Amino acid sequence: GAVVSQHPSWVICKSGTSVKIECRSLDFQATTMFWYRQFPKQSLMLMATSNEGSKATYEQGVEKDKFLINHASLTLSTLTVTSAHPEDSSFYICSANLPSGRSHEQYFGPGTRLTVT
Amino acid sequence: AQSVTQLDSHVSVSEGTPVLLRCNYSSSYSPSLFWYVQHPNKGLQLLLKYTSAATLVKGINGFEAEFKKSETSFHLTKPSAHMSDAAEYFCVVSDHPRFGAGTRLTVKP
Repeated sequence: GAVVSQHPSWVICKSGTSVKIECRSLDFQATTMFWYRQFPKQSLMLMATSNEGSKATYEQGVEKDKFLINHASLTLSTLTVTSAHPEDSSFYICSANLPSGRSHEQYFGPGTRLTVT
Repeated sequence: AQSVTQLDSHVSVSEGTPVLLRCNYSSSYSPSLFWYVQHPNKGLQLLLKYTSAATLVKGINGFEAEFKKSETSFHLTKPSAHMSDAAEYFCVVSDHPRFGAGTRLTVKP
């Protein structure tokens, strides 16, 4: 149980276009999901906390107008990279924790590799 | 605020020798702590977690970690390294999940 999926697993887009990445909890409901980005050979950087039915909470330095997050249901959060540029190329990972869990264990999606040309 | 510090960016061991990956945490209350492993171009896999039960936690693939409140540490160990253990390891604290910088483990034959 507690599986998180992401779609697409990889995407190539042209500079100036927008890309949407989906994060789904397949067998549980997630009131909170998290979005990370990871540059090559670096750690995961928390971008934002996505809360179902409310606005996302962005980490300092993350442009909310650039990275649009929508948590429309208890099983789906989306990250849209707007007007993508080559510097947005990265590995994007989402995670969710069980709503009743006390341990705050994160269940991670497999990640989405974005390449902006 | 909670945070973790992974003390070594890179650890290299020989196959069959012990592994020690160090993690110190900072938290104003009793944290939940996790170790994750990431193989190249792969997602994250949970190795083990501490959630205020037993201080010595056993995980998958022979890994274990000990929570030491007095030292604010949660070091990851394995008695005997295997080639397949070569990966990036991350220490993570609690409910607003922040990752340590990661430790790259290299295993030499």
